[in-house]
Amino acid sequence: SQTIHQWPATLVQPVGSPLSLECTVEGTSNPNLYWYRQAAGRGLQLLFYSIGIDQISSEVPQNLSASRPQDRQFILSSKKLLLSDSGFYLCAWSVGQGSAAFFGQGTRLTVV
Amino acid sequence: EDQVTQSPEALRLQEGESSSLNCSYTVSGLRGLFWYRQDPGKGPEFLFTLYSAGEEKEKERLKATLTKKESFLHITAPKPEDSATYLCAVQLFLNDYKLSFGAGTTVTVRA
Repeated sequence: SQTIHQWPATLVQPVGSPLSLECTVEGTSNPNLYWYRQAAGRGLQLLFYSIGIDQISSEVPQNLSASRPQDRQFILSSKKLLLSDSGFYLCAWSVGQGSAAFFGQGTRLTVV
Repeated sequence: EDQVTQSPEALRLQEGESSSLNCSYTVSGLRGLFWYRQDPGKGPEFLFTLYSAGEEKEKERLKATLTKKESFLHITAPKPEDSATYLCAVQLFLNDYKLSFGAGTTVTVRA
């Protein structure tokens, strides 16, 4: 069966520090991978998605970037965090087109 | 402009009091509509996918239905463990890799 691992669960970082959040998927090949952010009381905002190892699409221009160094690994990064980067970050995967996405347990990021 | 609107924002129910949540969408070219359940501090858990108007899906006390411009999630005789935020998302034929989410309905079921 497929599983998704996302870490860390909680992170407190100072303004201006770098960020690296990692997500890996097991049990499937060539998944579509996603990074979402959820602000308190809000819906999920799609940040990046990738349908292949060299194909990453950015949805919202901002202080973040994404990379996919391996087929089942997706990394969210920032060189310098802003206060507005605080939120709940969720990684997800799907397979093929027109299918549901399955989420990890999320990372609560607080920028102080 | 929001593509997906969920109502109400919050719903408080007594155990056993059935109710419905609404998800309306303004987009055209709908590929699929998805319902998720999210517990506090957790990632969303997939519930249902609906692809065409008239389609219905059921799971325990939950039933999802789809019309041309909205979807309903019916909760029948809810229990306290049904308390959660319910999210809906739409996917378009234009880009059927992406899901666009509504803000969710937070359901609280009191014993």
